[in-house]
Amino acid sequence: QAVLTQPSSLSASPGASASLTCTLHSGSNVGTYRIYWYQQKPGSPPQYLLRYKSDSDKQQGSGVPSRFSGSKDASANAGILLISGLQSEDEADYYCMIWHNSASVFGGGTKLTVL
Amino acid sequence: QITLKESGPTLVKPTQTLTLTCTFSGFSLTTSGVSVGWIRQTPGKALEWLALIYWDDDKRYSPPLKSRLTITKDISKKQVVLTMTNMDPVDTATYYCVHSMGLSYLDYWGQGTLVTVSS
Repeated sequence: QAVLTQPSSLSASPGASASLTCTLHSGSNVGTYRIYWYQQKPGSPPQYLLRYKSDSDKQQGSGVPSRFSGSKDASANAGILLISGLQSEDEADYYCMIWHNSASVFGGGTKLTVL
Repeated sequence: QITLKESGPTLVKPTQTLTLTCTFSGFSLTTSGVSVGWIRQTPGKALEWLALIYWDDDKRYSPPLKSRLTITKDISKKQVVLTMTNMDPVDTATYYCVHSMGLSYLDYWGQGTLVTVSS
């Protein structure tokens, strides 16, 4: 079964960029998956941000600012959520997700602190 | 406007069966490609996908939980029901109902319902 690993926490300053990683288990090739990213703020359900497989296969969620973008690091077998121009409102939990054998798998989530 | 709302017991005892209902509006579960699923979030904030049912009644289950889960739909009531047998304290979580177009992004979520398993 595919396993997704995310760092538990990340801190960055307002105005800076934050790179959140989602590393696939070595038995799975990140290149074959669409990686979905969700943002969750306290007291609310997760909200879809974007999907990224490649530069020709990507999708931005409705209303999601362009400073949120996706990419991959094939050498690290990881998907990446890049948030540029960090704002205080970006402080939240971020989860990656894939579909593997018709079942969904989530990463453990990264708590992003903007300070 | 698509909305989903979860309902069910807030407290169940170990070994009991949990039945959760998702009542939705703003879409039809007879439309090709539409699906409704369930996801839970533990108190430690881990998300776990549970099950999904398609417009054509095809169903998918989380492999580790497949033996304990059943998902059904009632088109006339606009509801999707999830049952989970043999509940255990580790099943304590907030359970979310979600809309998607099959194996794609989960675009609409209910507000979730907290289920506690305790004797």
